[in-house]
Amino acid sequence: AQSVTQLDSQVPVFEEAPVELRCNYSSSVSVYLFWYVQYPNQGLQLLLKYLSGSTLVKGINGFEAEFNKSQTSFHLRKPSVHISDTAEYFCAVTRSGGYQKVTFGTGTKLQVIP
Amino acid sequence: EAGVTQSPTHLIKTRGQQATLRCSPISGHTSVYWYQQALGLGLQFLLWYDEGEERNRGNFPPRFSGRQFPNYSSELNVNALELEDSALYLCASSLEGQGGEKLFFGSGTQLSVL
Repeated sequence: AQSVTQLDSQVPVFEEAPVELRCNYSSSVSVYLFWYVQYPNQGLQLLLKYLSGSTLVKGINGFEAEFNKSQTSFHLRKPSVHISDTAEYFCAVTRSGGYQKVTFGTGTKLQVIP
Repeated sequence: EAGVTQSPTHLIKTRGQQATLRCSPISGHTSVYWYQQALGLGLQFLLWYDEGEERNRGNFPPRFSGRQFPNYSSELNVNALELEDSALYLCASSLEGQGGEKLFFGSGTQLSVL
């Protein structure tokens, strides 16, 4: 079974500073990786996903993530954060093939400080 | 186009009672997923329905059950409620339930068990 670990439960960062949210996964087979964002009192929205191909994936709102197979990581980055990026971010993994459940991490709360 | 809708928004029950949560997927989506989001635990996978069939189930006791109707809407039933069932229950839908698909989430039902 696959699993995903988000080591940082909270990340404070000043506005316009860069940020990296860490995600490590565990799986013995090929995986698909995702980052979702949850704004207060809302459901989750997809930021970006990695299925195959280029290891650098660009998503919405200026976010990007890099798939690193040797380190089993899929860290999320943004070069300059805005107040509006304050939210909880979830890394997720699933196996390739049909009807494989999507497993989510415990989430990282990004707090952007003005 | 309407997104994933969940009802009710909030639900208050007492221990031992039953709760029924409802979800309507995006039009054209056949797969419906249920997740439990408890504080500090991230999203825990509950159930997955596609074309009226249960496709996958998470590590939850049998008192968590559900079904999918011919119009692809879904119900989650929780019997014999316990205090630890208090959580936000999120429903998501996708087009075909195949690996790598984007999940579209509703805003959730906040269940409080007193």
